[in-house]
Amino acid sequence: QVQLQESGPGLVKPSETLSLTCDVSGYSISSGFYWGWIRQPPGKGLEWIGTIYQSGDTYYNPSLKSRVTISVDTSKNQFSLKLSSVTAADTAVYYCARDNWNGYDSSAYDYWGQGTLVTVSS
Amino acid sequence: SSELTQDPAVSVALGQTVRITCQGDSLGSYYGNWYQQKPGQAPLLVIYAKNNRPSGIPDRFSGSSSGNTASLTITGAQAEDEADYYCNSRDSSGKHHVFGAGTKVTVL
Repeated sequence: QVQLQESGPGLVKPSETLSLTCDVSGYSISSGFYWGWIRQPPGKGLEWIGTIYQSGDTYYNPSLKSRVTISVDTSKNQFSLKLSSVTAADTAVYYCARDNWNGYDSSAYDYWGQGTLVTVSS
Repeated sequence: SSELTQDPAVSVALGQTVRITCQGDSLGSYYGNWYQQKPGQAPLLVIYAKNNRPSGIPDRFSGSSSGNTASLTITGAQAEDEADYYCNSRDSSGKHHVFGAGTKVTVL
């Protein structure tokens, strides 16, 4: 059974960098699939942040692209998110998830972490 | 366009059928997916690639697609189906994901 688990600080100061890691178990990242980050501000909808392939290819939400870096460490079977220059608007539950992209026309997040709340506040 | 449009809320009587829709240009090229989210929980994939159900999802959930519209139908809605439902697909570039704003389903 594929499982994902987010970890990282729950409180980040404004203007600093938010850093989260997603540990994957039950599946080897180096075997394929894309891996993504999605966030959800309190009481609001889901927002796609970005995705990474095991090769390191990345795609980011254009609205966040200047502040986002997603990386992968296949030796640890984990991938990470860094979001720089955070403000209160970045306060959200952050989820990591697996993208079952078939390379053609189907791409869905089939396994999700439980999510971690990150609050931006001084 | 990289947007997916959903109705904000719908209600359904217990045991009846409800259909929620998602419209967007990218749905003409990429299949839509549907996620169920209950309060305090992570989203759960219920339908992907138009009408595929992951293991463990009841068969009262079904999906369909026509042109730029994807639909999720709950046939015989149960109390436990009360939740927010989000549609999602890749955008027209194929490189990014987009989510709809969500539809709150209330079971009366």
